[in-house]
Amino acid sequence: DQQVKQNSPSLSVQEGRISILNCDYTNSMFDYFLWYKKYPAEGPTFLISISSIKDKNEDGRFTVFLNKSAKHLSLHIVPSQPGDSAVYFCAGGGNNFNKFYFGSGTKLNVKP
Amino acid sequence: SQTIHQWPATLVQPVGSPLSLECTVEGTSNPNLYWYRQAAGRGLQLLFYSVGIGQISSEVPQNLSASRPQDRQFILSSKKLLLSDSGFYLCAWGRQEDQPQHFGDGTRLSIL
Repeated sequence: DQQVKQNSPSLSVQEGRISILNCDYTNSMFDYFLWYKKYPAEGPTFLISISSIKDKNEDGRFTVFLNKSAKHLSLHIVPSQPGDSAVYFCAGGGNNFNKFYFGSGTKLNVKP
Repeated sequence: SQTIHQWPATLVQPVGSPLSLECTVEGTSNPNLYWYRQAAGRGLQLLFYSVGIGQISSEVPQNLSASRPQDRQFILSSKKLLLSDSGFYLCAWGRQEDQPQHFGDGTRLSIL
């Protein structure tokens, strides 16, 4: 049973516009949420995180929003750049030996 | 700074052959260590985690096993590989709770 779901397998956005990647989770015990970026044949790279006690965290062009009542989080990238084209994974967890459960990923394509 | 190494990067093995994938971490001590698998078109599935030497916890029943013979060494093994063991295997390390995990570059395993 998947505890973290990313229902959009792909997203295409024009350069300079906003990219919004969505993620839903089922486990209300998750303490912490992560977003990773992954290029082909490489391991995921940590991008941004948010604690369950916050509803927003911002780092440069990247902002993560958390809606605990809806068990939903989203990653906003503004403005999107072609170099942002990659697969993005969200993950929830953090407690219980710092284990995380990952979604299936969303492939973002930013068109020049 | 901390680094994580995985090898080999690519491996092609016949069905029924044994497997040994190795992961080592540098620049930190007593890390939590994790093995994940990404099957084709799927997300990252947590296979094993370890919080110390000789301590292994399995997340899912499977044909694989893990061992941690040294503090910063994590090994994924199988006695007889199945076709379903194909995938992209990732090792990650982490520290205390509610902290991001950091991934190696992975091993692409193909079973023929």
